[in-house]
Amino acid sequence: EIVMTQFPATLSVSPGERATLSCRTSQSISSNLAWYQQKPGQSPRLFIYDTSTRATGIPARFSGGGSGTDFTLTISGLQSEDFAVYYCQQYDDWPRTFGQGTKVEIK
Amino acid sequence: QLQLQESGPGLVKPSETLSLTCTVSGGSISSSSYYWGWIRQPPGKGLEWIGSIYYSGSTYYNPSLKSRVTISVDTSKNQFSLKLSSVTAADTAVYYCARHPADYGGRSSFDYWGQGTLVTVSS
Repeated sequence: EIVMTQFPATLSVSPGERATLSCRTSQSISSNLAWYQQKPGQSPRLFIYDTSTRATGIPARFSGGGSGTDFTLTISGLQSEDFAVYYCQQYDDWPRTFGQGTKVEIK
Repeated sequence: QLQLQESGPGLVKPSETLSLTCTVSGGSISSSSYYWGWIRQPPGKGLEWIGSIYYSGSTYYNPSLKSRVTISVDTSKNQFSLKLSSVTAADTAVYYCARHPADYGGRSSFDYWGQGTLVTVSS
């Protein structure tokens, strides 16, 4: 099983600032990585797939990068609606696995 | 617009079988272009993939749950289902159904999710 490690667990950021979230995998997954946003009481929503492709309707301030075992999600100019929990997920191999999440909170 | 809707009992007794159904609307579950999956989230915790099924019936399960899980598809009703046997309190979670494209053997992200349903295991 590919183990996903996200850090930090919590990121405190002021509105308008940049946030960088990290995700590390226990083995190389090529670019088979997605990022999801989840707000309280809601389903996860796909934000980024194939490491760096934004899903439909996702604003350009969200960008994904990395390859192999180290990946990042960058949010430039945080807006109020961006404060949420973000999960990374690999789909390079079965079983599909998720990171434990990074909570982006208002500083 | 594709929609997925989970349904089933919200309360299950320990040692019994949890049964949930996901009804797909706005698209055909028989499409060769997609897998259909189940993911769960214990209260206050992260996401755990349970398993996925292709319209043909081919399944992939999380090894941690494989001995207790069955996922099936009913193309006539445009539904797929989850059965989890011998449940304990540790199986209390919000259960989501979701879709992922079949490209590259299912190497794809979950692009559509249901709203989720809370299942509590308690006597």
